[in-house]
Amino acid sequence: DAGVTQSPTHLIKTRGQQVTLRCSPKSGHDTVSWYQQALGQGPQFIFQYYEEEERQRGNFPDRFSGHQFPNYSSELNVNALLLGDSALYLCASSSGLQGAYSNQPQHFGDGTRLSIL
Amino acid sequence: AQTVTQSQPEMSVQEAETVTLSCTYDTSESDYYLFWYKQPPSRQMILVIRQEAYKQQNATENRFSVNFQKAAKSFSLKISDSQLGDAAMYFCAYRSAQGGTSYGKLTFGQGTILTVHP
Repeated sequence: DAGVTQSPTHLIKTRGQQVTLRCSPKSGHDTVSWYQQALGQGPQFIFQYYEEEERQRGNFPDRFSGHQFPNYSSELNVNALLLGDSALYLCASSSGLQGAYSNQPQHFGDGTRLSIL
Repeated sequence: AQTVTQSQPEMSVQEAETVTLSCTYDTSESDYYLFWYKQPPSRQMILVIRQEAYKQQNATENRFSVNFQKAAKSFSLKISDSQLGDAAMYFCAYRSAQGGTSYGKLTFGQGTILTVHP
């Protein structure tokens, strides 16, 4: 049973460039969330996708955008990269839209380490 | 907005001993979920244990147990019989159970690095 898979594992970009990170959810999951984790910090919520729509967004600028495909996989796009975007980007999947009465936990991938030069 | 605070940046324990990691949170909601995640150097965030706020009984998973004090907004993790493989960064996380605009958002603490000495 494949877990959450992310690609690539590591990426190096320069300021001003654009990047796309990819995520395939755990088998049976249909909801994908993205988090940014700076070195030595806890993850920060970027946004969540369900049924190909962005359902909730954290405090991130519009440079961060995403997409979910019919097979539930997802992409995170970051435009006009800044040095401060250097971080580990984590994808998490879960089953169903996590509103009330859902105690289903999110399962995380290994992350993509993004370095901006 | 909810906040999660882990006041212990680092903790250490001897193998086979017991250690407790602290977590406090701030929320005005009555229904929510609390989680402890473990992140080893391999980077993958692994769920250790979860607690539903409406349950008074503390959750237990093998050597891991929590002390959930809802009135005090405290959620500590106890690791018994510590093993070398328990060494990792531990994160406490909060998720609303009230839906609305809080779908699925996990709010994490800053983390506690746990070192296990042989």
